[in-house]
Amino acid sequence: GAGVSQSPSNKVTEKGKDVELRCDPISGHTALYWYRQSLGQGLEFLIYFQGNSAPDKSGLPSDRFSAERTGGSVSTLTIQRTQQEDSAVYLCASSVQGGDGYTFGSGTRLTVV
Amino acid sequence: DQQVKQNSPSLSVQEGRISILNCDYTNSMFDYFLWYKKYPAEGPTFLISISSIKDKNEDGRFTVFLNKSAKHLSLHIVPSQPGDSAVYFCAALDGGATNKLIFGTGTLLAVQP
Repeated sequence: GAGVSQSPSNKVTEKGKDVELRCDPISGHTALYWYRQSLGQGLEFLIYFQGNSAPDKSGLPSDRFSAERTGGSVSTLTIQRTQQEDSAVYLCASSVQGGDGYTFGSGTRLTVV
Repeated sequence: DQQVKQNSPSLSVQEGRISILNCDYTNSMFDYFLWYKKYPAEGPTFLISISSIKDKNEDGRFTVFLNKSAKHLSLHIVPSQPGDSAVYFCAALDGGATNKLIFGTGTLLAVQP
């Protein structure tokens, strides 16, 4: 597609449930990033994928968070046993090779009740 | 520890006047900075950037100024238009292997007609 596509756009889940968030980057973009924006906070880096290299997971806040990128394209961010503090907008971005020139998706607004 | 800071959570200006959004950073190794604009329910979009070898970069109504000694940058919008009303994020490029962007907390700009 023309842009970065994220689904679902909104997700409400009960505390303790697992959720999966999907990101479909721009075709040909080798770099993919996940960020999240909690209420009143900036964009917090979570994880970075670049081609076939090992991902940089240094931003993941806990071991309940994991992400995969299959075939160098679509990425899934999984949050296990969700907590209320996980409520945020989760943003995915892709770029040709990292650095500037990110294109962001519209995000998934996750609400844990 | 917030490496990129936007100390004004909001700013209101009259249409036609100048908007000045400020950003401070703590890491003197940062050498590339960007401004992103975000409308509600949309992902951030790239606005303008500046390299540390420059102290000013201009693009139409938008100008970014960089003061390296003060570790400060600012975005000037002149003349401001109601369509400029959005959240503006300052970001610094972390030039390590990840090339990720480190974002500030954003400033909500409201341009009054």
